[in-house]
Amino acid sequence: DAMVIQNPRYQVTQFGKPVTLSCSQTLNHNVMYWYQQKSSQAPKLLFHYYDKDFNNEADTPDNFQSRRPNTSFCFLDIRSPGLGDAAMYLCATSRDSRGRKDEQFFGPGTRLTVL
Amino acid sequence: GNSVTQMEGPVTLSEEAFLTINCTYTATGYPSLFWYVQYPGEGLQLLLKATKADDKGSNKGFEATYRKETTSFHLEKGSVQVSDSAVYFCALTSGGSNYKLTFGKGTLLTVNP
Repeated sequence: DAMVIQNPRYQVTQFGKPVTLSCSQTLNHNVMYWYQQKSSQAPKLLFHYYDKDFNNEADTPDNFQSRRPNTSFCFLDIRSPGLGDAAMYLCATSRDSRGRKDEQFFGPGTRLTVL
Repeated sequence: GNSVTQMEGPVTLSEEAFLTINCTYTATGYPSLFWYVQYPGEGLQLLLKATKADDKGSNKGFEATYRKETTSFHLEKGSVQVSDSAVYFCALTSGGSNYKLTFGKGTLLTVNP
């Protein structure tokens, strides 16, 4: 089945220690997104890629970076995690956003704990 | 800007009860509207959607109708099950930011046997 896969499902890191979260998709979608979801809150968009074009949300901290080496994979790098970065990180994809309102398909998420 | 307001939870119902979760929106242009569901510890799943006024989205017994005149997209189900217990998010995409989903705050539904 075509899907969005996130690894790992649970990640524990130490305060200030860089961490990378991974997302892959078999849907061959143009657009990939990263969301942060804190407990009992709605997901908050951090950034997205339209193909290789990176689009950062204005309020996304510099501590968060992303890479998309090819269509299938996208990574979220947190350079120096703080306690406030503990959250569920959701990856999503959509087929083509420009001029169309395609739905987004979400992965299962990675829950990040910062000690 | 775009915004979504949905009914505050938590909502607790008995099995086979009728469910309504209210959702209203503010948007530029002609938004597409969505309901997503999130089961405990999991990512979001699209439950249903509607892309133009008067469209009705439906899935798994859930329904929502896009009402432009009242800017609403209320979620309904005639008879809930324990397995429907989850958080429900109303969301939209609109205008120049077609890529961006604007979410409501989510409504926690608990269904008791």
